[in-house]
Amino acid sequence: HSVLTQSPSASGTPGQRVTLSCSGSSSNIGSNHVYWYQQFPGTAPKLLISESNQRPSGVPDRFSGSKSGTSASLAISGLRSEDEADYYCAVWDDSLSGLGVFGGGTKLTVL
Amino acid sequence: EVQLVESGGGLVQPGGSLRLSCVASEFTFNSYAMNWVRQAAGKGLEWVAAISDSGGRTHYADSVKGRLTVSRDNSKNTLYLQMNSLRVEDTAVYYCVGSPARPWLVPRFDPWGQGTLVTVSS
Repeated sequence: HSVLTQSPSASGTPGQRVTLSCSGSSSNIGSNHVYWYQQFPGTAPKLLISESNQRPSGVPDRFSGSKSGTSASLAISGLRSEDEADYYCAVWDDSLSGLGVFGGGTKLTVL
Repeated sequence: EVQLVESGGGLVQPGGSLRLSCVASEFTFNSYAMNWVRQAAGKGLEWVAAISDSGGRTHYADSVKGRLTVSRDNSKNTLYLQMNSLRVEDTAVYYCVGSPARPWLVPRFDPWGQGTLVTVSS
């Protein structure tokens, strides 16, 4: 299992605000920036949030990221049906001998 | 439009080898570190290999060290992944992905290719 913990699933209704979480430790989230990715079925992931809270060009301001201690969050406000996707967090881990890690992903369902 | 196009995937037997390629266009290839990220069917993402913008430095996930080798040819705007001693658990879609040259080994992955499927099975 991943060193980053994400809830496997989340849901919300259109217009609602939902928050997805990513829990880690002092060697990863606690000391490095977090990145968030959105992935639709059958397609490549897309960078959604960089450096914990920065939106790349073209990403709607309905998406926001934050980090506190060893946890990070992705908030989606004004939820839309097209936001239904898988969301992954990623971070470098100072304690690993290999590469950085992804969380297991959260499947967001818009009811 | 920036494009990363992977090729070389396919069916291979356990213990076999495969070489993936990724050609970049409309993209300043030699200004980016490059990576391979894989995803098994129905599973999450795994960062497996990274190479610096010059190609002088590489880094691997523990799960593939000694079996997978990443390289690049900046004159051809092409990234490679040589895959040896393949295992059933290497079965996945392999994505070619760009990331910042400096600092490198930052999981700021953009752009992404469309992926190529590698299936290891007897």
